Amino acid sequence: QAVVTQEPSLTVSPGGTVTLTCGSSTGAVTSGHYPYWFQQKPGQVPRTLIYDTSNKHSWTPARFSGSLLGGKAALTLSGAQPEDEADYYCMLSYSGAGVFGTGTKVTV
Amino acid sequence: EVQLVESGGGLVKPGGSLRLSCAASGFTFSYAWMSWVRQAPGKGLEWLGRIKSKNDGGTIDHAAPVKGRFTFSRDDSKSTLYLQMNSLKTEDTAVYYCYYYYDSSTHNHCDYWGQGSLVTVSS
Repeated sequence: QAVVTQEPSLTVSPGGTVTLTCGSSTGAVTSGHYPYWFQQKPGQVPRTLIYDTSNKHSWTPARFSGSLLGGKAALTLSGAQPEDEADYYCMLSYSGAGVFGTGTKVTV
Repeated sequence: EVQLVESGGGLVKPGGSLRLSCAASGFTFSYAWMSWVRQAPGKGLEWLGRIKSKNDGGTIDHAAPVKGRFTFSRDDSKSTLYLQMNSLKTEDTAVYYCYYYYDSSTHNHCDYWGQGSLVTVSS
C-alpha cells in the first residue's frame, strides 16, 4: 500500500499563510489521485474541506484552497484564524482505494 | 436531516468477529457512495474501504491491510451499511466511522459522518 506523507506539524501566525503538502510514495500526486483534505478538531469527527484537488464544500471557508504543487497535493490557508487550529489530513485515491496521509497538526 | 447512526461496537477478544451497522436516514441511501474510516486512540485516520451505489456498479474497494478480514456490504432496502470484521487483532482497536460522501443521482459531493463506534480488541 502506498504511503502518503504530510508535515507532522506547522505553526502559522494569526492572519498569516501556511501551505500543507501531501506526497505519495508512488511518485507525483496528480488530479487522478482525487486529493481530499479533511480538518479534525479535538473530540470531533473529521470534516471535508476540499475534494478532487481544489473543490470546496459550501461550508469551506474561502481562506482554504487546494492545488497541486511540485508533485504534491497542497492545502493553503491564507489569513489563518484561531479556529483553524486543528489536525489536517489529506487522502489520495489509488485506483479506487483511499489512503490517508499521516496528518499535520496546525497551530495558530 | 441526514443522520448516520452506528451500532455494533464493543469489546471483543483477539481472533473474534464483530459486525458494525450504520443506519442512514434523511437521504436516498441507494444512491450513496459510502466509506468506512477508523481512528485508533490518539492516532490518525485510516481509510478502510468504500462501496459505491448499485447504479454505479456497487463496486467495493478495500484497503490492503484489511482485505480478506473485513467485508463491506449494504442493504438498500434497510438503508443500512455494514462492516463485518473477522480475525480481529489488538491493533484493530479504534473508533470506526461510516462516511457518506457522494450522491450518484445528483453527482454532488457531500460530507456526513456517523458518530463513531468504539471497537476494543483485548483479551
